[in-house]
Amino acid sequence: DIQMTQSPSSLSASVGDRVTITCQASQDISNYLNWYQQKPGKAPNLLIYDASNLETGVPSRFSGSGSGTDFTFTISSLQPEDIATYYCQQYDNLPTFGQGTKLEIK
Amino acid sequence: EVQVVESGGGLVNPGGSLRLSCAASGFTFSSYSMNWVRQAPGKGLEWVSSISSSSTYINYADSVKGRFTISRDNAKNSLYLQMNSLRAEDTAVYYCARGRDYSTSSGYNYWGQGTLVTVSS
Repeated sequence: DIQMTQSPSSLSASVGDRVTITCQASQDISNYLNWYQQKPGKAPNLLIYDASNLETGVPSRFSGSGSGTDFTFTISSLQPEDIATYYCQQYDNLPTFGQGTKLEIK
Repeated sequence: EVQVVESGGGLVNPGGSLRLSCAASGFTFSSYSMNWVRQAPGKGLEWVSSISSSSTYINYADSVKGRFTISRDNAKNSLYLQMNSLRAEDTAVYYCARGRDYSTSSGYNYWGQGTLVTVSS
């Protein structure tokens, strides 16, 4: 199985900050990577697919980059409504999720 | 409006069985892959199983292989997960999620609200 190592596991930032989360795959997954946002008590929401493509309706402050084994998810200017847990997911082989990054407001 | 709605969760004894259903509406069900993802209380997301649009391709996580069976009925716009030989570690909220396209290799862009399965005596 392909392992996804996501970091950090938690993050505290201020409104307006640039926030970056990384995800590393245990082997080359090309660009077969998605990013999800999950707010407490809610289902996950797809933000980025194929490593860098913004899902329809998702604000442009969210972005993704990377290929191969190293990927980055960025919020360019943190908003209060972005408080959530973020997950990466690879789908090169049987899908696996990263362990999540809990984002809090400082 | 795209909707997927899970049902069938509940309390079951270890070793027991349960069948989850997912009713889809607002899109051409037969054109999209469907998936089950679960989340144990206070834990992260775990992919469980995927089925392609025409049921040609089916995949399972190692943790459920041989115990769970995914299926779909395109005429009824419905997805199912038959869960047998349930264990305490299967306790989780189970989400039904639609793939972005027909294949099992894509992101999941519509999710249900989840249904809770509790395995306990």
